Amino acid sequence: EVQLVESGGGLIEAGGSLRLSCAASGFWLSNYEMNWVRQAPGKGLEWVSHISNNGRTIYYVDSVKGRFTISRDNAGNSLYLQMHSLRVEDTALYYCIRGQYGGLWGQGTLVTVSS
Amino acid sequence: IQLTQSPSFLSASIGDRVTITCRASQGIGSYLGWYQQQPGKAPKLLIHAASTLYSGVPSRFSGSGSGTEFTLTISSLQPEDFATYYCQQVNSYPKTFGQGTKVDI
Repeated sequence: EVQLVESGGGLIEAGGSLRLSCAASGFWLSNYEMNWVRQAPGKGLEWVSHISNNGRTIYYVDSVKGRFTISRDNAGNSLYLQMHSLRVEDTALYYCIRGQYGGLWGQGTLVTVSS
Repeated sequence: IQLTQSPSFLSASIGDRVTITCRASQGIGSYLGWYQQQPGKAPKLLIHAASTLYSGVPSRFSGSGSGTEFTLTISSLQPEDFATYYCQQVNSYPKTFGQGTKVDI
């Protein structure tokens, strides 16, 4: 089955760190650019980060630059988001999505940052 | 690039024709996608490249536009279409989303 499964979310105090993972199955991750998108509770969608299929091109939304790092392991068919210096406003459901247009989404992993 | 959707909320009935507009703060060619999000679920891609129906999406959904103004049309609203709809530009980074349009009964 073609799917993305995120993990690694949880409850963390402000200033802490988390590493999110996204496991791909049913297709080769190396064929696709990947993105992270988040959704705060009751709010809209916010694009967070992009990584090209070979990992050489990376972009971030301004609010996470210097704190978040996107990476990928094509051999292991996995995508990652390392998050440091977490803030209350980073609280959200984090989705990994496949491709330029997000034709495939995972179910999301919830990150809750407490003050 | 900012995307502004209108309306933010829409009340409609089964069988209605529904149109949602997405305006970009600068030209983005045809680099626009439309997503549907049902409560408690991940978004699903409906339209990519402004007007191309994504695989498996019912033909009652259609998209049009280029440059700065885009529309998503649902030709005959079905019960499963009551959801929130988002546009997203992929012309440049950050890949911004519109604020969403909630379609309710």
